[in-house]
Amino acid sequence: AQTVTQSQPEMSVQEAETVTLSCTYDTSESNYYLFWYKQPPSRQMILVIRQEAYKQQNATENRFSVNFQKAAKSFSLKISDSQLGDTAMYFCAASNSNSGYALNFGKGTSLLVTP
Amino acid sequence: ETGVTQSPTHLIKTRGQQVTLRCSSQSGHNTVSWYQQALGQGPQFIFQYYREEENGRGNFPPRFSGLQFPNYSSELNVNALELDDSALYLCASSLTATGGHHGYTFGSGTRLTVV
Repeated sequence: AQTVTQSQPEMSVQEAETVTLSCTYDTSESNYYLFWYKQPPSRQMILVIRQEAYKQQNATENRFSVNFQKAAKSFSLKISDSQLGDTAMYFCAASNSNSGYALNFGKGTSLLVTP
Repeated sequence: ETGVTQSPTHLIKTRGQQVTLRCSSQSGHNTVSWYQQALGQGPQFIFQYYREEENGRGNFPPRFSGLQFPNYSSELNVNALELDDSALYLCASSLTATGGHHGYTFGSGTRLTVV
C-alpha cells in the first residue's frame, strides 16, 4: 500500500514571498511517480508539477519547484514569488505500477496568499 | 484540446436511488479514472478504465460501476445510494495507462448530494 501524508492543513503567505508545502509518502515500490495538484474553488484539479522517482534532479516549473528526498520519502513543494492566484488547496499524490498508476492523494494543504 | 468535461455539475438524489455521472475525456486519452472526494478530504480512487476495460479498482463496493466508450466518454454508475456517497466525483483522463509521463487531466467534477 502507498500512503501520502500532508502534515500542514493550512498555510498562509504574503504576496511575493516564498512558501514550502510538505509531503511525505510511504511506498515499497522502486518505480513510482509523485505529483502536486492544485485545486482552486473552481474544483478542477490542476497538475502543478510531477517527479519521476528514478530521476534524482528536482523538477521545476516556473515558480514551482520540488525538493525530492528519496531516502527520506519526502516531496515538498516550494512556491516562489507567491501570487494571489496561488490561493487554493494543494494535494500531494503518488502512483505506481502495482496500483495501476492510480493516484493516491494526501489530505491536502489549504494555502492562502495575502496582499 | 477540449479538456475533460463532466455532467451534471450538481445533483441531488434520494437515498436508495441510482445515479449516472458522465465524463467526456480529453481527445486521444484512452485512460479514464474516477475519484470520490468527500468534503475536506483528498480524492479517493474508485476505478480506472483503459481502452474500455476496467484495469484497476479502489476500495469501493460493487454498487459503484463504470463504462468507457470508444468516443472517449465514460460513465460512473452508483446503485442504492447511501448518505455517505455525498461527495464531489472527479473524472480524470490520461494519454497513457500510467499517467506518469503526462499526468492526469481532471474535470471540474459533479457534486452529488444524497438526502
